[in-house]
Amino acid sequence: EPEVTQTPSHQVTQMGQEVILRCVPISNHLYFYWYRQILGQKVEFLVSFYNNEISEKSEIFDDQFSVERPDGSNFTLKIRSTKLEDSAMYFCASSSPRRGLLDEQFFGPGTRLTVL
Amino acid sequence: GEDVEQSLFLSVREGDSSVINCTYTDSSSTYLYWYKQEPGAGLQLLTYIFSNMDMKQDQRLTVLLNKKDKHLSLRIADTQTGDSAIYFCARRYSSASKIIFGSGTRLSIRP
Repeated sequence: EPEVTQTPSHQVTQMGQEVILRCVPISNHLYFYWYRQILGQKVEFLVSFYNNEISEKSEIFDDQFSVERPDGSNFTLKIRSTKLEDSAMYFCASSSPRRGLLDEQFFGPGTRLTVL
Repeated sequence: GEDVEQSLFLSVREGDSSVINCTYTDSSSTYLYWYKQEPGAGLQLLTYIFSNMDMKQDQRLTVLLNKKDKHLSLRIADTQTGDSAIYFCARRYSSASKIIFGSGTRLSIRP
């Protein structure tokens, strides 16, 4: 069964460093998403991406964040200068547009980012 | 408001029914979901219900929606050890792409 994959599973970085979190969405999907979950808190929406541009973003997704689909398979989240409060589990998701009411988002296993 | 609230923990005996509750504040939600997260895994869509429905049953799972009270519940019949996980209540507007999640309920099973 197709699945969303994410690498690495755990990333440790120093405050101020740049990190790139990688995701491989399901191959025929066209919508891509990033969510994050700070330990003990809710899963929060960050950004959605369609047709090579951001379609929606949350207040969390400030200028320190960017997303890119550099090739036909990867979808990346870059944090330019990490802060301690960026430590969280980051989930990638993808979905396929189809007629009807339900557009299921398939989630990856997450990347745990630890900023020291 | 965008809040989705649920209790953090639930412990049930194996074979009993589990009922996980959720409340939400925004009555314009069209899709209401239950996601399951097992250790080390991603968020798996377990079941969903449209806001124009009151109940949905899918094998051992029953979802009840009380639109007046903005209350959603997930009942798992004959709870098994494999049901141990975190269960997230979530909602979504009809036209927006983002999903709003609750904080998750950790279900643990006693022998």
